[in-house]
Amino acid sequence: AQKITQTQPGMFVQEKEAVTLDCTYDTSDQSYGLFWYKQPSSGEMIFLIYQGSYDEQNATEGRYSLNFQKARKSANLVISASQLGDSAMYFCAMGPNQGAQKLVFGQGTRLTINP
Amino acid sequence: NAGVTQTPKFRILKIGQSMTLQCAQDMNHNYMYWYRQDPGMGLKLIYYSVGAGITDKGEVPNGYNVSRSTTEDFPLRLELAAPSQTSVYFCASSPNLGGAEAFFGQGTRLTVV
Repeated sequence: AQKITQTQPGMFVQEKEAVTLDCTYDTSDQSYGLFWYKQPSSGEMIFLIYQGSYDEQNATEGRYSLNFQKARKSANLVISASQLGDSAMYFCAMGPNQGAQKLVFGQGTRLTINP
Repeated sequence: NAGVTQTPKFRILKIGQSMTLQCAQDMNHNYMYWYRQDPGMGLKLIYYSVGAGITDKGEVPNGYNVSRSTTEDFPLRLELAAPSQTSVYFCASSPNLGGAEAFFGQGTRLTVV
C-alpha cells in the first residue's frame, strides 16, 4: 500500500522568503508519480508540480520546485520568494506513472505567509 | 473552458435520505474520479472510472455507488445518508497520459444531520 506523510501541520513564513514543505512517501512500486496540490481557502484543488520516479532531474515550475530524494523517499516542495497569495493548504500526493491517477494524499500542511 | 463541473455546491441531507452528486467534464478525459475530504484531512478516493461503462472501487467505497454511461458524466449516488458521510466531495478527471495531472471540480459540501 502507498502512504504519504506530511509532518508539518502548519508553517509560518515571512513574505519573500523561501519555504520548504516536507513530504515523505512509502511504496513498494518501482514506477510512481509524486504530485503537489494547493488548496486555497476557497476550496479548489490546484495542481502545482509533478515528479516521476524515473525522472533524474528535479521538477521545476516557475517559483515551485520539487526536491526529489529517491533513496530517502522524500519529495519536498520548495517555494521561492513566497507571496501573500501562497497562503493555503498544500497536499503531497502519490499515484501511478501512467494510467488512471488514483492518488493517495497526505494530510496537508497549512502555509501562512506573513507580510 | 468549463473543465470539471460539480453540482450542487452545497447540500444538507437528513439521515437516511438519498441523493446524487453530479459531475461533468468537457475535456474528453477517459479517467474520472470521486474523492472525499474530511475536515483537516487529505482527499481519499471513493470510486474511479477508466472509461464509459467501467468503474472500480477506491479506498473508501462503502455507502456510495457510481455509474459511467458517457465519457462526460460520472455521478455519485448516496443511497442512505449517514452522518459519517458529512464531507466535501471532489470530482476529478485526467487524460490518458503518463503522469498527467488530475483536474478537479470545485467540490460539493455535504452535511448529513
